[in-house]
Amino acid sequence: DQQVKQNSPSLSVQEGRISILNCDYTNSMFDYFLWYKKYPAEGPTFLISISSIKDKNEDGRFTVFLNKSAKHLSLHIVPSQPGDSAVYFCAASVLTGGFKTIFGAGTRLFVKA
Amino acid sequence: DAGVIQSPRHEVTEMGQEVTLRCKPISGHNSLFWYRQTMMRGLELLIYFNNNVPIDDSGMPEDRFSAKMPNASFSTLKIQPSEPRDSAVYFCASSPGRIRQGRNSGYTFGSGTRLTVV
Repeated sequence: DQQVKQNSPSLSVQEGRISILNCDYTNSMFDYFLWYKKYPAEGPTFLISISSIKDKNEDGRFTVFLNKSAKHLSLHIVPSQPGDSAVYFCAASVLTGGFKTIFGAGTRLFVKA
Repeated sequence: DAGVIQSPRHEVTEMGQEVTLRCKPISGHNSLFWYRQTMMRGLELLIYFNNNVPIDDSGMPEDRFSAKMPNASFSTLKIQPSEPRDSAVYFCASSPGRIRQGRNSGYTFGSGTRLTVV
């Protein structure tokens, strides 16, 4: 049973446009959500996070939105750049649950120049 | 800081052989995690340790897999005997063990070990 789901295995976007990556979760106990970015032959790197007490967190070109009632979060990248081409993992955890984090299957983003 | 160090980077072995993957977490991090990445399932949590103690190994696929953390600076993931379906990239990650807001929240991952069992 996948508790964190990324239903789009890939996404292609033109440079300069907005990229929107989506993620759904099933466990209502999750209270902290993260996005990681992964380039080939490297480990995932932390990108941005959001606590369940917020519905939006912004860091430069990256914004994460959280809709708790829908158990849905999304990552917006604007404007998209070719260097953003990577696999993006959505992740969720329970702060009081030993810091165990569950990852989605990932979405591969292609940003075309 | 050298980050999380995993070895080897690549491992090719024959079915039935024992495989040992190694991880050195970031100094001062007291939580360590082993993940496996496959095309079908993405990043799966296999096991994690807190203060060198295994906390949750429910993700370990079967008895052929075992993990140890004999001290705060070293962990191993062993597969014995290995099978072709174990082929994947195995990641180790460490964290300070508490959530901190800001850019440095979350885990630090190693570069992974690509395991191929033929």
